[in-house]
Amino acid sequence: DQQVKQNSPSLSVQEGRISILNCDYTNSMFDYFLWYKKYPAEGPTFLISISSIKDKNEDGRFTVFLNKSAKHLSLHIVPSQPGDSAVYFCAASQRRAGTALIFGKGTTLSVSS
Amino acid sequence: GAVVSQHPSRVICKSGTSVKIECRSLDFQATTMFWYRQFPKQSLMLMATSNEGSKATYEQGVEKDKFLINHASLTLSTLTVTSAHPEDSSFYICSARNGETGELFFGEGSRLTVL
Repeated sequence: DQQVKQNSPSLSVQEGRISILNCDYTNSMFDYFLWYKKYPAEGPTFLISISSIKDKNEDGRFTVFLNKSAKHLSLHIVPSQPGDSAVYFCAASQRRAGTALIFGKGTTLSVSS
Repeated sequence: GAVVSQHPSRVICKSGTSVKIECRSLDFQATTMFWYRQFPKQSLMLMATSNEGSKATYEQGVEKDKFLINHASLTLSTLTVTSAHPEDSSFYICSARNGETGELFFGEGSRLTVL
């Protein structure tokens, strides 16, 4: 049973527009959520995180929103750039318990110029 | 620079042989390390959790006799794929937790190809 779901395998956006990547989770014990960017044959690169006590965290062009009641989070990238093209993974963990990250299947973002 | 180093980054081996992948934390002590596996166009699947000085905890469906994990020191964990078969070909990634800060860092990954 997948605890972290990314239902859109791919997303295409034009340069300058907003990219919105979505993620749903089922485990209500998760208290820490992260987004990673990954290129083929490389390890994931941390982008941004959010604790369950917050509903929004912003870092430059990247903003993560958390809706705990809906068990849903999203990553907004504004403005999107061609260099943002990669696979984006949503991950969740029980941070206080020190558990491993559980990843979604990823969404491939393509930003065209 | 990288704070978690994996070696080798790529390895090709013959079926039936064993392959060892190392994961090192470079400037912190990693009390816990995690091993993940990724198939093409798939998610990173947690294989096992290893705590320094104790036996690894394997996820359901992961054969502990096939994927041997050793976390002998606070900076090194190894994953040995024993009697490798072509279906073991995958991208293996380790993650290390900084024992002081709790931060997680990922290695660069190791691509295993079994012929």
